[in-house]
Amino acid sequence: NAGVTQTPKFRVLKTGQSMTLLCAQDMNHEYMYWYRQDPGMGLRLIHYSVGEGTTAKGEVPDGYNVSRLKKQNFLLGLESAAPSQTSVYFCATRTGTGGYNQPQHFGDGTRLSIL
Amino acid sequence: EDKVVQSPLSLVVHEGDTVTLNCSYEVTNFRSLLWYKQEKKAPTFLFMLTSSGIEKKSGRLSSILDKKELFSILNITATQTGDSAIYLCALNSNYQLIWGAGTKLIIKP
Repeated sequence: NAGVTQTPKFRVLKTGQSMTLLCAQDMNHEYMYWYRQDPGMGLRLIHYSVGEGTTAKGEVPDGYNVSRLKKQNFLLGLESAAPSQTSVYFCATRTGTGGYNQPQHFGDGTRLSIL
Repeated sequence: EDKVVQSPLSLVVHEGDTVTLNCSYEVTNFRSLLWYKQEKKAPTFLFMLTSSGIEKKSGRLSSILDKKELFSILNITATQTGDSAIYLCALNSNYQLIWGAGTKLIIKP
């Protein structure tokens, strides 16, 4: 039972390159989230999904796209990477059972550097 | 605008000390307040608080919420080096969590 798995763990990109980060969960959770974490700024929500086939913008969505074609996977794409997107990216999931007050569970993160 | 402010931003204490971490907030639609511990990788869930004055406790860690004064505290007694981490406070507002910047706690042997 892996929980929340993020791939890759590390990546270095050049400005203008594209890439996709994958989040996979085996907990059958409805809600999935992508965050970025920068020093001194806490976690900021990029995009989220409340179920298969749905996505919504968070606090800092510009420069990112997402897709949730299957319930267990949530993909984060960078179409044209910029140095400002250098960050640690976390995926989180939450069950929809039991109301809003359920904790989010996190993957181990992807450290992304844009040169 | 919903906001979460944690203090202090960093704290260095000696093993065996007791520490108190603070989280104050402003929110339009309060559902719950959560505490997480982040060591090297993923934040891990500690507590969820929904009601004022009811202490949540797990071993040497405890937390309490004051919905009138809009803050929560996280206490750690008899600290150990393994408690060194970033402690994150988050506010549950509808579908999303709003995060504080965290308190970096360092426990010296």
